[in-house]
Amino acid sequence: DAGVIQSPRHEVTEMGQEVTLRCKPISGHNSLFWYRQTMMRGLELLIYFNNNVPIDDSGMPEDRFSAKMPNASFSTLKIQPSEPRDSAVYFCASSQGQGDYEQYFGPGTRLTVT
Amino acid sequence: SQELEQSPQSLIVQEGKNLTINCTSSKTLYGLYWYKQKYGEGLIFLMMLQKGGEEKSHEKITAKLDEKKQQSSLHITASQPSHAGIYLCGADIEEDNNNDMRFGAGTRLTVKP
Repeated sequence: DAGVIQSPRHEVTEMGQEVTLRCKPISGHNSLFWYRQTMMRGLELLIYFNNNVPIDDSGMPEDRFSAKMPNASFSTLKIQPSEPRDSAVYFCASSQGQGDYEQYFGPGTRLTVT
Repeated sequence: SQELEQSPQSLIVQEGKNLTINCTSSKTLYGLYWYKQKYGEGLIFLMMLQKGGEEKSHEKITAKLDEKKQQSSLHITASQPSHAGIYLCGADIEEDNNNDMRFGAGTRLTVKP
């Protein structure tokens, strides 16, 4: 298996622009997680899905952030409009489902908002 | 990718017992993070260590980063069933001037009542 795939790997954009991050989970995994990595707190959970349904989005910073999972093999995290403080590395992870399963992480998307 | 060595891979302890989980790297760690994955949920941030020799505590969980900044240990005192879960270490490892984050494979902790 190719593992969790994220695109793009790097994104540089100007503030105010819309940014869309993409994630393809490992085939057969039913849970998908979006994280943001900051220097001070490491990984922060933004939102996670089980069977394509958002379960907990309490970590989403504000209304500018939205996430979707239209099917079992694809998810997006959108920031509109983007701000410089959104600059971070965004990770996607997937696991086999709810319960006692390890999460497998993608390589991350490094976002820079100027 | 998971380039940090975590040990043990799984651990079963009796309630009330102490336990230690280790996270080791062959390279210098910059910013060592400990997380707990609760069953069916995302990762919960526990604590971050940056300085060699640093030690932090949160309730009954203590984490240390050794002086050489290549190993960290997570110690739980008087374990409770609520401590059960998967513990994951993550760290910034300087490679080619890029501080990319790496993760251990996780330690699955079971606490028997």
